[in-house]
Amino acid sequence: EVQLVDSGGNLVQPGGSLRLSCAASGFTFSDYGMTWVRQAPGKGLEWVSFVSASGISTFYSDSVKGRFTISRDNSKNTLYLQMASLRAEDTALYYCAKNILHMNYFDSWGRGTLVTVSS
Amino acid sequence: EIVLTQSPATLSLSPGESATLSCRASQNVGSKLAWYRQKPGQAPRLLIYDASNRATGIPARFSGSGSGTDFTLTISTLEPEDFAVYYCQQRSSWPLTFGGGTKVEIK
Repeated sequence: EVQLVDSGGNLVQPGGSLRLSCAASGFTFSDYGMTWVRQAPGKGLEWVSFVSASGISTFYSDSVKGRFTISRDNSKNTLYLQMASLRAEDTALYYCAKNILHMNYFDSWGRGTLVTVSS
Repeated sequence: EIVLTQSPATLSLSPGESATLSCRASQNVGSKLAWYRQKPGQAPRLLIYDASNRATGIPARFSGSGSGTDFTLTISTLEPEDFAVYYCQQRSSWPLTFGGGTKVEIK
């Protein structure tokens, strides 16, 4: 059974940094692209970032480009999102998600980890 | 960026009725569109991918259609667990984008 356990969310001040993690199990992690999606309180879904199976290719939404860095450690079956220069508008529940093989749709999701940016 | 516009924003229906949800893309996305259902307090679940393909374990009451810029998700007979928010998502070009959602509520 596929399991994604996201963690690392916390209360952080504007301008601060945070690293989210997503521990994966139940599938061959190194075969699949992975994605972060966020959801602000009471709002819809927003795609944040993608990393290819190998980790070589990455993509970001314009709202986080230059501030967030996605990465993965295939030896540890773990996905990361390094977040810097955080803003109030980054406050959201962050989900990690597994891509369908060779397609940018998401067939398994973590439960989410909450990031709150506030002074 | 491709903008996905979902309508209606809210759909009020009774269990057993059918639901028709719409997603319109600002540019041609071919068939590269998916639908998700999100129940309160839960992560989204993939229902339909590439416009009309049901994801693993998704019951036959869910069907998707459309191509280009206009897409439809149909739920033939609403079950209690179908009262939720539905999102469309395109994979035609970066950045990937989601629609704003349609809430299906109990009438």
